[in-house]
Amino acid sequence: EDQVTQSPEALRLQEGESSSLNCSYTVSGLRGLFWYRQDPGKGPEFLFTLYSAGEEKEKERLKATLTKKESFLHITAPKPEDSATYLCAVRGVYNQGGKLIFGQGTELSVKP
Amino acid sequence: GAGVSQTPSNKVTEKGKYVELRCDPISGHTALYWYRQSLGQGPEFLIYFQGTGAADDSGLPNDRFFAVRPEGSVSTLKIQRTERGDSAVYLCASSLTTGGRNEQFFGPGTRLTVL
Repeated sequence: EDQVTQSPEALRLQEGESSSLNCSYTVSGLRGLFWYRQDPGKGPEFLFTLYSAGEEKEKERLKATLTKKESFLHITAPKPEDSATYLCAVRGVYNQGGKLIFGQGTELSVKP
Repeated sequence: GAGVSQTPSNKVTEKGKYVELRCDPISGHTALYWYRQSLGQGPEFLIYFQGTGAADDSGLPNDRFFAVRPEGSVSTLKIQRTERGDSAVYLCASSLTTGGRNEQFFGPGTRLTVL
């Protein structure tokens, strides 16, 4: 059964304090690992897709990396506007039609 | 262009009532997905459509839940005899096609409260 576990559940940072969020996954034949950002009361906003171990993608202060067992979302010099819940999801070979399996999310709070 | 839209944004109903939730996908997207999100949890898959047909409905919790997409665009999620445990945010997403390198784009959700 495909599974995703995110840690920590909550993370509090000071503005400028870099850190990483972890997404550990178990999937039969990874067909994509997805990172989303979700603000309170809104739907998830797409950030990145990673497909193979060693792949990296960057967007502003965010960089996502992928290994065969986990993905990291690195946040460099975060700002208060980066505060949100970050969700990780996987698509496996048996769900190539598109079904995503999500983790429970990491709630990030960045204080000025 | 316009993103995924969902109506209503909030729905309060009484236990035992019937509700319909609507999703308007991004224009040109052939795949449409429904997820349910409980407080503090990630979205949980319910059903997805490729065109007009339900390609995978394995996430529907029981036969009180049903979804349609009659013309391959707008979709409606229907819940009969609502229960308090159905209270959650119902999210809709669409993608250009299914599978492959196709990201899903989400709407704002409908918050359903069953009293």
